Amino acid sequence: DAGVTQSPTHLIKTRGQQVTLRCSPKSGHDTVSWYQQALGQGPQFIFQYYEEEERQRGNFPDRFSGHQFPNYSSELNVNALLLGDSALYLCASSLLGSNTGELFFGEGSRLTVL
Amino acid sequence: QQQVKQSPQSLIVQKGGISIINCAYENTAFDYFPWYQQFPGKGPALLIAIRPDVSEKKEGRFTISFNKSAKQFSLHIMDSQPGDSATYFCAASPTSGSARQLTFGSGTQLTVLP
Repeated sequence: DAGVTQSPTHLIKTRGQQVTLRCSPKSGHDTVSWYQQALGQGPQFIFQYYEEEERQRGNFPDRFSGHQFPNYSSELNVNALLLGDSALYLCASSLLGSNTGELFFGEGSRLTVL
Repeated sequence: QQQVKQSPQSLIVQKGGISIINCAYENTAFDYFPWYQQFPGKGPALLIAIRPDVSEKKEGRFTISFNKSAKQFSLHIMDSQPGDSATYFCAASPTSGSARQLTFGSGTQLTVLP
């Protein structure tokens, strides 16, 4: 049973560029959340997708957008990249309405903005 | 009010010793308190979680103690092993009817000396 898979694992961009990160949730999960983890910090919630709609959003600008596909996979898009966007981007999946509500995290996509 | 404050930032323990990490929160809507373990280059993995209707939960060498009136909770790692060396994050979330939006602490880097 594959867990949460993310791609790419590492990427380097320059300021002003755009990036797309991809996530496949754990089998049987229907909800995908994205978190940003700066170096030495805890993950910060970006947004959450369920039934192909953004359901919750953290304190991130509109440059951060996402999408969920019918197969529950998801993309995170960041436009007009800033140096401060350099971070590990984590995808987490879960099953809405489950008793535990446990989030399963992928290994992340490490973004470096030069 | 959304913050979760975690201490200490780093912790060094001898093999066989007890590791204790503390967290405090303000938001009384929080009702789910997980601890995550993260190894370098990996995503966070759920270690143990507690709800506020119990004051303690134990799983193997890991115990969460919860003090609802003080709005504090802690992780105790008994008989700490070198393999426990990792970064530990406390987190909290409310039950909002949708999948969990976790607020993470800033992390504790644990080193267990052989």
